[in-house]
Amino acid sequence: EVQLVESGGGLVQPGGSLRLSCAASGFTFSTYSWNWVRQAPGKGLEWVSYISTSSGTMYYAESVKGRFTISRDNAKNSLYLQMNSPRAEDTAVYYCARMSSGSWFVNWYFDLWGRGTLVTVSS
Amino acid sequence: QSVLTQPPSVSGAPGQRVPISCTGSSSNIGAGYDVHWYQQVPGAAPKLLIYGNSNRPSGVPDRFSGSKSGTSASLAITGLQADDEGDYYCQSYDSSLSAWVFGGGTKLTV
Repeated sequence: EVQLVESGGGLVQPGGSLRLSCAASGFTFSTYSWNWVRQAPGKGLEWVSYISTSSGTMYYAESVKGRFTISRDNAKNSLYLQMNSPRAEDTAVYYCARMSSGSWFVNWYFDLWGRGTLVTVSS
Repeated sequence: QSVLTQPPSVSGAPGQRVPISCTGSSSNIGAGYDVHWYQQVPGAAPKLLIYGNSNRPSGVPDRFSGSKSGTSASLAITGLQADDEGDYYCQSYDSSLSAWVFGGGTKLTV
């Protein structure tokens, strides 16, 4: 069965740190690029970060650049998001999302989503 | 303020057809980039509904269709059913932001 399970969410203080994980099963994790997408309470979807198959390329939304770090471990079929210096506006459900492939990256889309993990940034 | 603009809400009776629009600009949809659509039912994760402007993944009923023209795209749902209720999001790429972007979402009430 194809499955994505996020974990690591919870309450974190502003300026603290938190590491999110996403465990994949039921398909070949290493052959796909991956993303984190978040959804603030009652709000829409926001792309956060991207990582290529071999971890050679990473992209970040301006809102998290310099504070969050995406990584992956193909041997463990896992994706990670290290959140440093979180702010109240980072409060959201964080989804890991598999990226489609194709010749032109601008046309890629998110073809498989996990159920998400809630991160609350508050003192 | 989302880069892609969607109506906040739409509604329709069972069996009817409803369109959901997604309006962008020359740095995203108007640049020729594909538009994709996602469905999010209450309490669940988003699910891919339409990719590459008008293609349906396996398992998505043909009641759902997508189109694109100029700087806009549209999702049409025919034969509305009660379990179609939820939020619908369009997505594309924006070259000015160098980011994959979503519309603000449209809440469908049946």
